Amino acid sequence: QKEVEQNSGPLSVPEGAIASLNCTYSDRGSQSFFWYRQYSGKSPELIMFIYSNGDKEDGRFTAQLNKASQYVSLLIRDSQPSDSATYLCAGMNTGFQKLVFGTGTRLLVSP
Amino acid sequence: DAGVIQSPRHEVTEMGQEVTLRCKPISGHDYLFWYRQTMMRGLELLIYFNNNVPIDDSGMPEDRFSAKMPNASFSTLKIQPSEPRDSAVYFCASSFGTGQRAFFGQGTRLTVV
Repeated sequence: QKEVEQNSGPLSVPEGAIASLNCTYSDRGSQSFFWYRQYSGKSPELIMFIYSNGDKEDGRFTAQLNKASQYVSLLIRDSQPSDSATYLCAGMNTGFQKLVFGTGTRLLVSP
Repeated sequence: DAGVIQSPRHEVTEMGQEVTLRCKPISGHDYLFWYRQTMMRGLELLIYFNNNVPIDDSGMPEDRFSAKMPNASFSTLKIQPSEPRDSAVYFCASSFGTGQRAFFGQGTRLTVV
């Protein structure tokens, strides 16, 4: 079992809709979580991080963390075609100081 | 700052040859990570350094892989001998402190034929 699991998708949503991306993790020692966006042929870039249970909002993006359920999500409001990319969820165990990535979910936003 | 710089961007080599990938982290960052990305396995951590010291190399697939960080501004990942299954995109990333965002280089696309 991978430490961080994501549905590979693709997740298809129409322009303007809310895209919901989900991630589960197995290591209860994981303390912080990161969402990276990766366009095809490019490197991952950080878009959100979250340390505490609950919601964290940044513009059109909201990250949600539920440590009891070991569940992380990313909501993208008013989805745009430019949001079409692969979204990588990553967890960090502060004891080991390293990021462990899921395999990513491909998001397709249609005009 | 120019960000994390990797070279070469693309490398095509024959099976059995030695391959060296290079990385220059962001100045001031004390953590450096080497990742490998494939369609099947996603982004896998190979090894990471803290203050130039290797901390965890449990992700290095086998003895054919080695990594060094002789100083704070340079790291190499070497594969010797290379095999076709090593074909992947190799990313280097750096961060400042623990639990902080990692910045990725543009990657090296390695093809072993």
